[in-house]
Amino acid sequence: GAGVSQSPRYKVAKRGQDVALRCDPISGHVSLFWYQQALGQGPEFLTYFQNEAQLDKSGLPSDRFFAERPEGSVSTLKIQRTQQEDSAVYLCASSTGTGGPGELFFGEGSRLTVL
Amino acid sequence: ELKVEQNPLFLSMQEGKNYTIYCNYSTTSDRLYWYRQDPGKSLESLFVLLSNGAVKQEGRLMASLDTKARLSTLHITAAVHDLSATYFCAVGYTNTGNQFYFGTGTSLTVIP
Repeated sequence: GAGVSQSPRYKVAKRGQDVALRCDPISGHVSLFWYQQALGQGPEFLTYFQNEAQLDKSGLPSDRFFAERPEGSVSTLKIQRTQQEDSAVYLCASSTGTGGPGELFFGEGSRLTVL
Repeated sequence: ELKVEQNPLFLSMQEGKNYTIYCNYSTTSDRLYWYRQDPGKSLESLFVLLSNGAVKQEGRLMASLDTKARLSTLHITAAVHDLSATYFCAVGYTNTGNQFYFGTGTSLTVIP
């Protein structure tokens, strides 16, 4: 597609529910990133894929967070047993390069509210 | 600990005035990015600065990078209301898994 597409745009979950957030990167982009942006804060790194390989997951806040990109294109961020502190906007970004941090192109984000 | 700090955090300025936003980072990098975010929207790439002394300009915005001082600036010339948004700098690293570290953002309001 023309840009990074994320769905759902808005998700309300009850505490304890599992959620899945989808990211469809720009076609041909090798690198894919997930960021978490709390209200009034800058985006914080969660995880990074190069094609289907998850090369860095150091930013995932707990083992309730899981991300995959099985075919090197679409990625899913899954949050199990959601907690209120998980409420944030989850941003996906993609990039062409593998040799270094090239320019990131962001999707519009998925806003998660945990009640 | 790697830190990216922006100042000011909030900026209110009148149309027609000039101002500079500062971005300091704690660990050497030669890749610095500026993004704009409108309320409820995603991040839009403004500038990519890839070397010491790099300067880029687009309209009323000009960004520069001093890698030795670990400092980038975003200068606003003759501000207009349309520039009201939150501006983030981000520092890129390859040795920590190809991460980008974002600053806390500067919320800019341009008053007519």
